[in-house]
Amino acid sequence: EAAVTQSPRNKVTVTGGNVTLSCRQTNSHNYMYWYRQDTGHGLRLIHYSYGAGNLQIGDVPDGYKATRTTQEDFFLLLELASPSQTSLYFCASSDFIQDTQYFGPGTRLLVL
Amino acid sequence: AQSVTQPDARVTVSEGASLQLRCKYSYSGTPYLFWYVQYPRQGLQLLLKYYSGDPVVQGVNGFEAEFIKSNSSFHLRKASVHWSDSAVYFCAVSNYAQGLTFGLGTRVSVFP
Repeated sequence: EAAVTQSPRNKVTVTGGNVTLSCRQTNSHNYMYWYRQDTGHGLRLIHYSYGAGNLQIGDVPDGYKATRTTQEDFFLLLELASPSQTSLYFCASSDFIQDTQYFGPGTRLLVL
Repeated sequence: AQSVTQPDARVTVSEGASLQLRCKYSYSGTPYLFWYVQYPRQGLQLLLKYYSGDPVVQGVNGFEAEFIKSNSSFHLRKASVHWSDSAVYFCAVSNYAQGLTFGLGTRVSVFP
């Protein structure tokens, strides 16, 4: 069974705050992804990576940085959080970009 | 660019009744197609996928989907729903270059 974990599960911060969301996969997958999920928009891809040290820009990258430190770990950074970044964030992994993605449980972020 | 349309934002069905969720995709080549389900407060889980071969694919929990290339559709079906099938269902398409693109989802409510 593929396993993707995320931390924290819930986070509250203030406008201008610094937030790091963590994701770890134990599937030995090459690709990892960060999405945000918002009502009316579905899931939108923020960034993705195909290996340690690699970063690719997704569809909604503004205001987000990401870093893939190892094959297992992928981080999403919000350096100056804004209320528009209040959302549910999902991490996922897959072996190939076109293949099945396995999702983590999500992190709910509230920016006040 | 690829895209997915799920025309029904909400579907309400009685327990024991059949269910069909519509999905139409836009992609010029042969797509990889997926259905995911999201239960409350959880991440997305794969229901089924189609890569090639038999256009009717079986998934978990009695779900199946049919790929109809001439109609660019990949509708999801279940013969008899249970209250536990209440969830949000996402159709997605992927290719080698872009990864997964999701539809906006269909919220299914099953009433006793």
